[in-house]
Amino acid sequence: QVQLQESGPGLVKPSETLSLTCTVSGGSIRSFYWSWIRQPAGKGLEWIGRIFTSGSTNYNPSLKSRVTMSVDTSKNQFSLKLSSVTAADTAVYYCARNRGSSSSGNYYYHYMDVWGKGTTVSVSS
Amino acid sequence: QSALTQPASVSGSPGQSITISCTGTSSDVGSYNLVSWYQQHPGKAPKLMIYEVSKWPSGVSNRFSGSKSGNTASLTISGLQAEDEADYYCCSYAGSTTLIFGGGTKLTVL
Repeated sequence: QVQLQESGPGLVKPSETLSLTCTVSGGSIRSFYWSWIRQPAGKGLEWIGRIFTSGSTNYNPSLKSRVTMSVDTSKNQFSLKLSSVTAADTAVYYCARNRGSSSSGNYYYHYMDVWGKGTTVSVSS
Repeated sequence: QSALTQPASVSGSPGQSITISCTGTSSDVGSYNLVSWYQQHPGKAPKLMIYEVSKWPSGVSNRFSGSKSGNTASLTISGLQAEDEADYYCCSYAGSTTLIFGGGTKLTVL
């Protein structure tokens, strides 16, 4: 059974770069899309973006200028970097496996079937 | 891109049925049968309950069902149980490879 575990600093200073890693266990990272989602305390979920094991990425347009995702298949890990953080980036960050299905002749990656437990990141000086 | 619109809260008694709506636009919910629903208990990660509007992942009770009409998707929970008390989020494909979530609905089992 595939399990995901987020890791990284719990505290980041304003204007610096937030860096998180998600380790995939119980299965291979290969041939799947992997997403990052975040949730500010008491608020809703926000999709940040996804990465395929080839390195292909899709980002939320609202965060695209600050987001970089990467993958290391040898370590069964994928990572998130969010630059120039502010207090508004304080949230629980989740990694998740992104799955999809065919519709009207195209294939869409539109749901997350396995989630990590989440890691809290606070942005403060 | 604005979040999909969900009611802030719904409630029901054990054994009853409730429905949570998720309203988007013709650019997301209305254009694709690609809506998923997630259950989130306090302090826990979201759990996939429904995908592709009305399909069940393995292990999810068929008391949960999904539907869609126009720009609005719905999650119905029948035979409410105390363990169903949680936050529920809808999510839709929104074109150009992006996903958009709803604001979330708190379900209270009375």
